[in-house]
Amino acid sequence: GQQVMQIPQYQHVQEGEDFTTYCNSSTTLSNIQWYKQRPGGHPVFLIQLVKSGEVKKQKRLTFQFGEAKKNSSLHITATQTTDVGTYFCAGSGSARQLTFGSGTQLTVLP
Amino acid sequence: ETGVTQSPTHLIKTRGQQVTLRCSSQSGHNTVSWYQQALGQGPQFIFQYYREEENGRGNFPPRFSGLQFPNYSSELNVNALELDDSALYLCASSLQSGFAGGDTQYFGPGTRLTVL
Repeated sequence: GQQVMQIPQYQHVQEGEDFTTYCNSSTTLSNIQWYKQRPGGHPVFLIQLVKSGEVKKQKRLTFQFGEAKKNSSLHITATQTTDVGTYFCAGSGSARQLTFGSGTQLTVLP
Repeated sequence: ETGVTQSPTHLIKTRGQQVTLRCSSQSGHNTVSWYQQALGQGPQFIFQYYREEENGRGNFPPRFSGLQFPNYSSELNVNALELDDSALYLCASSLQSGFAGGDTQYFGPGTRLTVL
């Protein structure tokens, strides 16, 4: 079945440093979504990418979808303490479901 | 807030018991998906309902079953609980065509189930 792998599992950064998490799928994806889950909270939708090579920005967050539609990344510029949480990618392929990665837990040290 | 609610917030059961978890979707969202999230893991897709019919299922045994009702509410039922069923159970509603993989998922706050 479809597998989605995410690295790193944990990332500690100093406030103001950049952060990147990477997502790789075992199969070609029709789209990829990114979610953020704060400690004790539930996943909250950030963005969806559909096109090969697509790049989208939301303020300090930059999302990319690979040319082969099998990988994606999320980059945060100049992290802030409000960025703390776990970031999940979730991809869908031929199956009628979203497959989530295991997430990257981001800690931002003040 | 997503407008998706779940009850109860927390639940403790013993092995072998049965449990029913409830979800109320956003009005107009005709697709609901249920996920199991173990500690430190990403949500795992259990199944999906579209217009009251199951139309997608993940790798979960038949003792996990569900219902969706016309009033945008739904249920997840788990029979013969096992210790490994301890997890956060999330429902997520979406707006479009019954293909949750292509829709934004609006998650509820979850039900934390502990099986002793």
